[in-house]
Amino acid sequence: DAGITQSPRHKVTETGTPVTLRCHQTENHRYMYWYRQDPGHGLRLIHYSYGVKDTDKGEVSDGYSVSRSKTEDFLLTLESATSSQTSVYFCAISNGTSVAKNIQYFGAGTRLSVL
Amino acid sequence: QKEVEQDPGPLSVPEGAIVSLNCTYSNSAFQYFMWYRQYSRKGPELLMYTYSSGNKEDGRFTAQVDKSSKYISLFIRDSQPSDSATYLCASEPGGYNKLIFGAGTRLAVHP
Repeated sequence: DAGITQSPRHKVTETGTPVTLRCHQTENHRYMYWYRQDPGHGLRLIHYSYGVKDTDKGEVSDGYSVSRSKTEDFLLTLESATSSQTSVYFCAISNGTSVAKNIQYFGAGTRLSVL
Repeated sequence: QKEVEQDPGPLSVPEGAIVSLNCTYSNSAFQYFMWYRQYSRKGPELLMYTYSSGNKEDGRFTAQVDKSSKYISLFIRDSQPSDSATYLCASEPGGYNKLIFGAGTRLAVHP
């Protein structure tokens, strides 16, 4: 999975609790992304980062926040989890600086269930 | 209307068949086109990457882009059971480093 580690791989939590998912990369890529994948919707971008401390919203950012204090780590936080946030979450990275710079490489995913 | 439309299937074919997977897109600014393959409970992996119109071949796989009709295709020749997966098309206008994905087509190749 292209030097990308997502943790945890599975999580079950209760409505209203905070949840943080971690993405760690060893490729020194500039761009990092968080997606959620739901049946019938494909991959939808939540937030992305274009550098340390530089982040921006994606298509479905409500209820989520992110932080990137180091090149290698990108955290996704659900401040107060809701059942609608039950999903599979994928982290992706891209180089952004070389040929085929916009190709994204994905982690193995985190399955989150909010009960 | 979604920017990238893809028939979710499922598509079921016998081993050895030629498979055609298709997407349409609405944004004429899209320049880069990719196909990802995703096995069950795994992350998507890049299968094909093309820029602008034309064909690109890699083994049994051919990616085709027709910008005049905003149509993206992936052809799989001599399909194998190991090709059973979900295939996602993706596009990007260039310069934004953000991909727009189709919903994915689930393919099953049966022996």
